[in-house]
Amino acid sequence: EAQVTQNPRYLITVTGKKLTVTCSQNMNHEYMSWYRQDPGLGLRQIYYSMNVEVTDKGDVPEGYKVSRKEKRNFPLILESPSPNQTSLYFCASGRGGGQGVTGELFFGEGSRLTVL
Amino acid sequence: AQSVAQPEDQVNVAEGNPLTVKCTYSVSGNPYLFWYVQYPNRGLQFLLKYITGDNLVKGSYGFEAEFNKSQTSFHLKKPSALVSDSALYFCAVRDRDSGYSTLTFGKGTMLLVSP
Repeated sequence: EAQVTQNPRYLITVTGKKLTVTCSQNMNHEYMSWYRQDPGLGLRQIYYSMNVEVTDKGDVPEGYKVSRKEKRNFPLILESPSPNQTSLYFCASGRGGGQGVTGELFFGEGSRLTVL
Repeated sequence: AQSVAQPEDQVNVAEGNPLTVKCTYSVSGNPYLFWYVQYPNRGLQFLLKYITGDNLVKGSYGFEAEFNKSQTSFHLKKPSALVSDSALYFCAVRDRDSGYSTLTFGKGTMLLVSP
């Protein structure tokens, strides 16, 4: 089954404690991306990757890091989480390498993060 | 820059009535346009897309959307709403001629279909 898998689905942590949200896709997609969803703000892009070892900042990259060492995985790293990073996070993947996204995106089920 | 606007935070419609969820976009070149739906506690699911060709695009679950270049709109429609259509709907755009490689999403419109 084609899917994007995120872990953990729910996490409560404290300010400053490093955490990683994993994302894995089994569709051999070149493109992967992280979004955060906040009430009234919709979906905002954090980082994206057009292919292995290629990553770029989205609209709200501050406080986040990513890496793309393998095609299937795109982890999101919060080195020192703060309360304003409390949000619902989505990973997505799709076709479209160098020239950009050309088709539909497949989304994970979301990771709800609370930073106290 | 590329942007998309969904002017309505919420749309209410009675079951069996037609529904429209509005979306307008802004790009410098030609757009790729998408609609996604999000059910409670789920990720977004693709509904339909416009790439080129016929302005009327048909998608999943009986939804369709009409691309209108002169009005820069891509409204989502369905002839007869179902209670199960109640969800959050997102419009997204990518300017395929101006170097943008990713999608920009609107803020979403909550659709509530009453029995």
